[in-house]
Amino acid sequence: EVQLVQSGAEVKKPGESLKISCKGSGYSFISYWIGWVRQMPGKGLEWMGIIYAGDSDTRYSPSFQGQVTISADRSISTTYLEWSSLKASDTAMYFCARCLIPGTADAFDIWGQGTLVTVSS
Amino acid sequence: DIVMTQSPDSLAVSLGERATIQCKSSQSVLYSSNNKNYLAWYQQKPGQPPKLLIYWASTRESGVPDRFSGSGSGTDFTLTISTLQAEDVAVYYCQQYCNTPFTFGPGTKVDIK
Repeated sequence: EVQLVQSGAEVKKPGESLKISCKGSGYSFISYWIGWVRQMPGKGLEWMGIIYAGDSDTRYSPSFQGQVTISADRSISTTYLEWSSLKASDTAMYFCARCLIPGTADAFDIWGQGTLVTVSS
Repeated sequence: DIVMTQSPDSLAVSLGERATIQCKSSQSVLYSSNNKNYLAWYQQKPGQPPKLLIYWASTRESGVPDRFSGSGSGTDFTLTISTLQAEDVAVYYCQQYCNTPFTFGPGTKVDIK
């Protein structure tokens, strides 16, 4: 079964760092782009960026460029979303998702279950 | 960035009736070299991740019931649920994947009347 499994919920304080993960299984990890999507409480979906697992080519939304880092470790079929200094406004559900067509950045067909990040003093 | 808008913000439809959602992009998402519209539709139910329904504006994802259909080209698109079922209560999002960032619309909430 093709699936993406994300790391568990996190509660952090402002200024702390955080790295959440998304592990792919059931498919050729290095052949697909993986993206990250933010959903703030009660709000819509925001496309943050994508990474090609094969060579770690990464594209960011201007809204998130410099605010987060997307990375991948091919050896363990895992992608990451990282913050160096969290803010309260980073409180949200974060989804990883796989792009539909191998080698192509496009629509997301497989989604992780989501990781809830809460940032509060 | 390409800005996506959707209308209405919400709608309530009787069971078995048709639901229609509009999506508009601020610039064309039709790629002339392959004549494909880089437009997807997703369904999100409470507490769940989104689910891909439609891609290339009108291609139904495997396993998606045929009461869901997508149409449109260029900048104007429509998602139609031909006969609304109780399990279709959800928020529906369009997304363009023509140019990064691959922006989403704000969502349309569908309820039962």
